[in-house]
Amino acid sequence: AQSVTQLDSQVPVFEEAPVELRCNYSSSVSVYLFWYVQYPNQGLQLLLKYLSGSTLVESINGFEAEFNKSQTSFHLRKPSVHISDTAEYFCAVSEVNSWGKLQFGAGTQVVVTP
Amino acid sequence: SQTIHQWPATLVQPVGSPLSLECTVEGTSNPNLYWYRQAAGRGLQLLFYSVGIGQISSEVPQNLSASRPQDRQFILSSKKLLLSDSGFYLCAWTGGAGAYGYTFGSGTRLTVV
Repeated sequence: AQSVTQLDSQVPVFEEAPVELRCNYSSSVSVYLFWYVQYPNQGLQLLLKYLSGSTLVESINGFEAEFNKSQTSFHLRKPSVHISDTAEYFCAVSEVNSWGKLQFGAGTQVVVTP
Repeated sequence: SQTIHQWPATLVQPVGSPLSLECTVEGTSNPNLYWYRQAAGRGLQLLFYSVGIGQISSEVPQNLSASRPQDRQFILSSKKLLLSDSGFYLCAWTGGAGAYGYTFGSGTRLTVV
């Protein structure tokens, strides 16, 4: 079975500064990788995903994540954050041919301050 | 377009009372459906998933049950709630083998008192 580790429970960052959220996973088979964002008292929204191909994936709002197979990592980055990026971010892994079951990390709370 | 509806948004229930949370999906057929629970300050725990009508798989032993009476309807139930059932419950769906990622409902905040 797969597992997901998000190394930071909370990341404080100043507005317009860069941020990196770390995610490592373990699995014995091929996986799909995802990042989700959750705003307070809301459901989760898909931010970006890696299925295959290019190891660098980007979202429409400036986030990017890079799949590193040798390090089994899928870190999320943004070069310049906004106040509106304050939210909780979840890394998730789905093993191929597992009926789409997602294993989530514990989440990283990003707090952006002026 | 596909949409997912989940209700109620918030619920306060006494210990020992029954529970029924409903989730419906529109705009697609034969979705894979999931119930997750998010406890305060913790990640998401998969409770149940279903790949078809009447097919329910349970991931963890617990006080809850799930049913899928129709293709796009997924219900989470309990006969007698426990304090430990409090949390944020999320329904989600995906198509195919999950490569598209999940679409989540807006969640139900359940407080058992």
